[in-house]
Amino acid sequence: NAGVTQTPKFRILKIGQSMTLQCTQDMNHNYMYWYRQDPGMGLKLIYYSVGAGITDKGEVPNGYNVSRSTTEDFPLRLELAAPSQTSVYFCASSYATEPAFFGQGTRLTVV
Amino acid sequence: KQEVTQIPAALSVPEGENLVLNCSFTDSAIYNLQWFRQDPGKGLTSLLLIQSSQREQTSGRLNASLDKSSGRSTLYIAASQPGDSATYLCAAPMDSSYKLIFGSGTRLLVRP
Repeated sequence: NAGVTQTPKFRILKIGQSMTLQCTQDMNHNYMYWYRQDPGMGLKLIYYSVGAGITDKGEVPNGYNVSRSTTEDFPLRLELAAPSQTSVYFCASSYATEPAFFGQGTRLTVV
Repeated sequence: KQEVTQIPAALSVPEGENLVLNCSFTDSAIYNLQWFRQDPGKGLTSLLLIQSSQREQTSGRLNASLDKSSGRSTLYIAASQPGDSATYLCAAPMDSSYKLIFGSGTRLLVRP
C-alpha cells in the first residue's frame, strides 16, 4: 500500500532551470494538493485538483504550473527556478470529506 | 479569510506530563479542524479531524477539542512519551472546500 509517492526526494537546481516534481497516489482519491513548507512555517497551498482535468490555484501559485491528466498523477512544474522557491514541497490526496494523506516531501534548493 | 495561529512555537516537557497544544482560528464558520503530526524530514500524518458539529475527538492518548465561538482548538496529550516528540500542526479549510490553511506548528520535545 504505497499511499502518496513523491519523486525526487531531494534536488538542487540552478537559478533559471526548470523541473517537474512528480506525485502519484494509489488510493483513487479525487482531491490532490501541492503545498510548500518554508523553514519553521506551516504549509501553504500552491495548487489543487478536484479530479482529472480540473485544477485551480491556491495561496501561492506564482512560478508554478500543474496538470491532472489521470486520477493518480498530479505533477508540479517549476519554470525558471528562483531562490524564493527553495522549500520542501508536499503532495497530498484525499476523498473530499476525509483527512488527507501526505507524501514524504521533496526538498528543493535553488542556488 | 481564515487565519490559523499556534502558540507556543516550541514546548519542552518531562516524560509523563500531560500537556495541551493550542490552535486559534479567525473564521468561526469553520467546517472542520484537523491536527497533524510531522516528524523531522518526514511528511504529515493526520491525527484527528473534528467536524464543525463535534466538540471533541479522541484517539488513544490524544484528545482534540473544538470551540467555534472562541475560535480555539486544543490538542491534549496524556502521559507524554519521548516518542511523542515531533511538530504538531493544526489546519482548517479556507472555505467550504478542503483547501487547508495551516498554523506554523508547535515543536514538542518530551525529555526522558
